[in-house]
Amino acid sequence: DAGVIQSPRHEVTEMGQEVTLRCKPISGHNSLFWYRQTMMRGLELLIYFNNNVPIDDSGMPEDRFSAKMPNASFSTLKIQPSEPRDSAVYFCASRRDSLTNEKLFFGSGTQLSVL
Amino acid sequence: AQSVTQLGSHVSVSEGALVLLRCNYSSSVPPYLFWYVQYPNQGLQLLLKYTSAATLVKGINGFEAEFKKSETSFHLTKPSAHMSDAAEYFCAVSEASGSARQLTFGSGTQLTVLP
Repeated sequence: DAGVIQSPRHEVTEMGQEVTLRCKPISGHNSLFWYRQTMMRGLELLIYFNNNVPIDDSGMPEDRFSAKMPNASFSTLKIQPSEPRDSAVYFCASRRDSLTNEKLFFGSGTQLSVL
Repeated sequence: AQSVTQLGSHVSVSEGALVLLRCNYSSSVPPYLFWYVQYPNQGLQLLLKYTSAATLVKGINGFEAEFKKSETSFHLTKPSAHMSDAAEYFCAVSEASGSARQLTFGSGTQLTVLP
């Protein structure tokens, strides 16, 4: 299995532009998470999907952020309009939910720089 | 509600010395506890996890952690540091019950191994 695949690896954009980050979870995993990592705040959970349904989006910072999961194999995180303070590494992670299996598999992340 | 505190955002040890990374948690229900490692430019990988079985948990790369309920701690140790252990380490907690079982991460500890 290729693992969790995120694209792009790096994104540089100008303030005000729309940014779309993409994630392909591991096949068979039914939970998907988007995290943001910054020096100041470490890893923050933005949103969590289970069976393609958003379960908890309380971590989404503002209305400028939105996430979708149209099917079990694809999710997007969109920022519109982007701001310099959105610069961070954004991680996608997936997991197969079971009574005992808590292991999250992370993608390599997208390094976002908003100028 | 659950939370994780990692004491020390940066830890430096000499090669061959003991590694001790501290993690304290709070959880209103019995917790599951995890240590993840992040190597430069990579996503997070699971090192080890505690899910209410043995309190001393052995992970990959010679790391282990001990769950101490009385101290609400789950410190990560390795008897002898190797240069390849240099990375950022994250402690995480999730509630053992409930449907969400989201992970809450600590702010991370950057481990530097000196030659």
